[in-house]
Amino acid sequence: AQSVTQLGSHVSVSEGALVLLRCNYSSSVPPYLFWYVQYPNQGLQLLLKYTSAATLVKGINGFEAEFKKSETSFHLTKPSAHMSDAAEYFCAVSENTGRRALTFGSGTRLQVQP
Amino acid sequence: NAGVTQTPKFRVLKTGQSMTLLCAQDMNHEYMYWYRQDPGMGLRLIHYSVGEGTTAKGEVPDGYNVSRLKKQNFLLGLESAAPSQTSVYFCASTPRGGNTEAFFGQGTRLTVV
Repeated sequence: AQSVTQLGSHVSVSEGALVLLRCNYSSSVPPYLFWYVQYPNQGLQLLLKYTSAATLVKGINGFEAEFKKSETSFHLTKPSAHMSDAAEYFCAVSENTGRRALTFGSGTRLQVQP
Repeated sequence: NAGVTQTPKFRVLKTGQSMTLLCAQDMNHEYMYWYRQDPGMGLRLIHYSVGEGTTAKGEVPDGYNVSRLKKQNFLLGLESAAPSQTSVYFCASTPRGGNTEAFFGQGTRLTVV
């Protein structure tokens, strides 16, 4: 069985500060890992994905994440927060065979203070 | 290109009423999913389909039924709505092969009173 743990349901940073959202996963097979962003009253939009190629993955809007197998982590970072980054962020792990469904973490709501 | 479209976007039901949520995708994806989103719990898989005419249960299937009569459509039914089914429902699709991510609809906000 797969699982995802996101540490911190709420994270608040100042505009221009580093953003770090933590994600740890559990998987019995090599995982595919994803970060999705959800703006208020909208669906989920893909930020970036890891699918066993480069361990440092760059996504949209200046976000990146590093896959660390030894730590079973896939933390999301952005060097400088912008007000428009305020949203809820979900880490997810996918089965790369079979039904290929996503297992989601509980989400982290990011607030950006002016 | 519309992607994944869900209807309706909002609905209020009385306890015991029934309804069907429609998901349509125009990307020719084989796999389709229904998730529900509840505060502090992320998204949880209700049912899924790996192709036309096939469906299977996810982690939280009780109280829901699904059908996939056409490849592009995946219907989620509530036969007798309960307040515990108040949630936001998301449909998603993904192609069979490769490492492509899932594409999500905009969601349906359902309230059962």
